Amino acid sequence: KAGVTQTPRYLIKTRGQQVTLSCSPISGHRSVSWYQQTPGQGLQFLFEYFSETQRNKGNFPGRFSGRQFSNSRSEMNVSTLELGDSALYLCASSFTGRRTYEQYFGPGTRLTVT
Amino acid sequence: AQTVTQSQPEMSVQEAETVTLSCTYDTSESDYYLFWYKQPPSRQMILVIRQEAYKQQNATENRFSVNFQKAAKSFSLKISDSQLGDAAMYFCAYRVTNNDMRFGAGTRLTVKP
Repeated sequence: KAGVTQTPRYLIKTRGQQVTLSCSPISGHRSVSWYQQTPGQGLQFLFEYFSETQRNKGNFPGRFSGRQFSNSRSEMNVSTLELGDSALYLCASSFTGRRTYEQYFGPGTRLTVT
Repeated sequence: AQTVTQSQPEMSVQEAETVTLSCTYDTSESDYYLFWYKQPPSRQMILVIRQEAYKQQNATENRFSVNFQKAAKSFSLKISDSQLGDAAMYFCAYRVTNNDMRFGAGTRLTVKP
């Protein structure tokens, strides 16, 4: 099976702009989670989508939003970018059922805000 | 709140030797899952090993094994016969079914030839 893919891999934006990141999960995986990774804060959970519904949400401002499509692909959007939004954004997918399964991560999108 | 603590920011090990990375967690749940992930420099995060809390037997994956102490809420990772390719950031993670995954701050492992 193909792994989790994320596009684009690198992105440079200017403060105040908005950005959309895309994630395609492993085939058959219906849950997609997004994380922000920075040297100072480590891995921080943004949100999780399952069957096109947001199931869990982390402690991030409303500028961060996401959605999931019927084919399980997910996008996250950050509006009004700030310098502090510079980070590696990781997407992870997992198979869901009655049990909890491990997450499989994509390579990430490196966002730089100038 | 569920938290995950990795008390060792950095560790180093000689090639072919054994190293143990520590992880403790705080939870009031009885049924949960624990994971160790590896993130090599500038590379993708990959799952190393998982442990279901209801299983008493410690998980093992080739050279990687865990010491799971449920009462002490401890979940350490042992890497045997360390190889240069084991150099990476290692993250301990915790998850309850249908809840978000919580990660520790990570331990940077250096392998010396």
